[in-house]
Amino acid sequence: EPEVTQTPSHQVTQMGQEVILRCVPISNHLYFYWYRQILGQKVEFLVSFYNNEISEKSEIFDDQFSVERPDGSNFTLKIRSTKLEDSAMYFCASSVMRDTQYFGPGTRLTVL
Amino acid sequence: AQKVTQAQTEISVVEKEDVTLDCVYETRDTTYYLFWYKQPPSGELVFLIRRNSFDEQNEISGRYSWNFQKSTSSFNFTITASQVVDSAVYFCALKGNTGKLIFGQGTTLQVKP
Repeated sequence: EPEVTQTPSHQVTQMGQEVILRCVPISNHLYFYWYRQILGQKVEFLVSFYNNEISEKSEIFDDQFSVERPDGSNFTLKIRSTKLEDSAMYFCASSVMRDTQYFGPGTRLTVL
Repeated sequence: AQKVTQAQTEISVVEKEDVTLDCVYETRDTTYYLFWYKQPPSGELVFLIRRNSFDEQNEISGRYSWNFQKSTSSFNFTITASQVVDSAVYFCALKGNTGKLIFGQGTTLQVKP
């Protein structure tokens, strides 16, 4: 069964460093998303992406964040200058249309 | 504004007991979808069910059943004869006219042997 994959599973970085989180969505899916979950809290929407552009973003998704689909398979989230409060689990998701979203296993980001 | 409320933070049951997880939502959209996701201790988010706003039929899948009541804006989830493997955090989520999912705070279910 096809699934969303994410790498790395855990990323540790120093405050102020740039990180890139990578995702490979399910191959026939057209919509891509990033969510984050601060430890012990609910899952929060960051951004959705369709047809090579952002279709919606939350107030969390400020200028420090960017997304890209550099090729036909990868979908990346870049944080330019990480802050302590960026420490969270980041989930990538994809959907065929704007229907059921299937999530990857997540990347745990730890900012020191 | 859209909102999902899961009032039960934690529930603890003994194996084989039935348990119901509550979900109440708010939306002004006339068309919307409701979801349940399971987050086991390993951390991934596993899709369980999707319901659209026009379909109020209850659904049963094995030991799982869902009760959608538009009149009370609720979408409750019942596990019958719970098992230790059901121990997880369960999230209810809402999707309105935009693509994003709005999640509730989650209910941690602990099933003891």
